[in-house]
Amino acid sequence: DIVMTQSPDSLAVSLGERATINCKSSQSLLYSSNNKNYLAWYQQKPGQPPKLLIYWASTRESGVPDRFSGSGSGTDFTLTISSLQAEDVAVYSCQQYYSTPPTFGQGTRLEIK
Amino acid sequence: QVQLQESGPGLLKPSETLSLTCTVSGGSVTNTSYYWNWIRQPPRKGLEWIGYIYYTGSTNYNPSLKTRITISLDTSKNQFSLNLSSVTAADTAVYYCARAQVVRGEKRWFDPWGQGTLVTVSS
Repeated sequence: DIVMTQSPDSLAVSLGERATINCKSSQSLLYSSNNKNYLAWYQQKPGQPPKLLIYWASTRESGVPDRFSGSGSGTDFTLTISSLQAEDVAVYSCQQYYSTPPTFGQGTRLEIK
Repeated sequence: QVQLQESGPGLLKPSETLSLTCTVSGGSVTNTSYYWNWIRQPPRKGLEWIGYIYYTGSTNYNPSLKTRITISLDTSKNQFSLNLSSVTAADTAVYYCARAQVVRGEKRWFDPWGQGTLVTVSS
């Protein structure tokens, strides 16, 4: 199985500041035939199911604010929130869909400082 | 817009069988473009994929749970179900159903998800 490791486990950022969450996979998620990284990011607010934010490592889902961006390739990925809003308080998780079983990172809890 | 909703008992005793159903509305479980998944999240832990079923009835399970899982499809009710046998306290979790697109045999990300249902295993 591909192991997904996120850092940090928790993060406190001031409103309006940048938040950065990292995700590392135990093997490359880049499929050479199409040059795509098989990685998604989800946002999970308390008491709610995960919500898809980003797929293909950097493609924003429809309706997701453009302050959310994804980057990285191979084994190292980053989710960035450019200017933190109060409604962004949540747990963020990465997930690989390169191989079965699909696996998730342990989650990063984002709070307001 | 497709919506998924889990249902089933919230409290089980050790050694019992967990049985959950996911009802799909706004779309069909026989759509050839999607797989139907179960995913769980133990308290204060990360997400764990349990398994999926395709409209043909073919399934794939997480090896860590494979010996205890059965996922089935009821096309007449537009539902799919999860059975997990011999539960222990370690199976206490919020259980989600979720859809994943399949393109040329490749499974994609999970979207949408059901609201989730908490299952507690306790004597």
